[in-house]
Amino acid sequence: DAKTTQPTSMDCAEGRAANLPCNHSTISGNEYVYWYRQIHSQGPQYIIHGLKNNETNEMASLIITEDRKSSTLILPHATLRDTAVYYCIVRGPGGGATNKLIFGTGTLLAVQP
Amino acid sequence: GAVVSQHPSRVICKSGTSVKIECRSLDFQATTMFWYRQFPKQSLMLMATSNEGSKATYEQGVEKDKFLINHASLTLSTLTVTSAHPEDSSFYICSATQRSGPDTQYFGPGTRLTVL
Repeated sequence: DAKTTQPTSMDCAEGRAANLPCNHSTISGNEYVYWYRQIHSQGPQYIIHGLKNNETNEMASLIITEDRKSSTLILPHATLRDTAVYYCIVRGPGGGATNKLIFGTGTLLAVQP
Repeated sequence: GAVVSQHPSRVICKSGTSVKIECRSLDFQATTMFWYRQFPKQSLMLMATSNEGSKATYEQGVEKDKFLINHASLTLSTLTVTSAHPEDSSFYICSATQRSGPDTQYFGPGTRLTVL
């Protein structure tokens, strides 16, 4: 699986948009970009994923660059409950063992009141 | 939808005893379940992958005789930590992918194991 690079930590003011970057310069053509977050002492929560196109759901937006070497997760209106470690993970298609996720160190997003 | 539960949420045991952790997919059938371990201030580390009805595949460095995994049905996988020692104290988390539909992994809430 391709490796990803994320900043160790970021701050964001409550109510403002949080933009979390991720570099994945060695991503392959059929690999997806997944985002999860982990609030302290809980299991990871799925946020969003994409292949080439930008994606949006009720939680966030995912912007993937045209060359697919980087992406940005956008939380449009951050709240204190969004304080968590955010993981950007690249993985291939398919199920079973090929579906395994390799977690890096992620970005600790601290939303400030 | 796509809810995964774990039981127990927290367990304390004496050194040398065995502990079983259950992982259930509540509203979907899970083709594959995964077990992770997370030490304090570290990221999740994949321990093993299990498919219903077959033997689990363990990651390098994970002792299969110590961490027994059983995936007896499409909604239940169990992890048994045998002869637990204090160094096995950790946060154990399972995840599951749906049998049909998208193969996104959904995670359980985790089990905190403390071995005295």
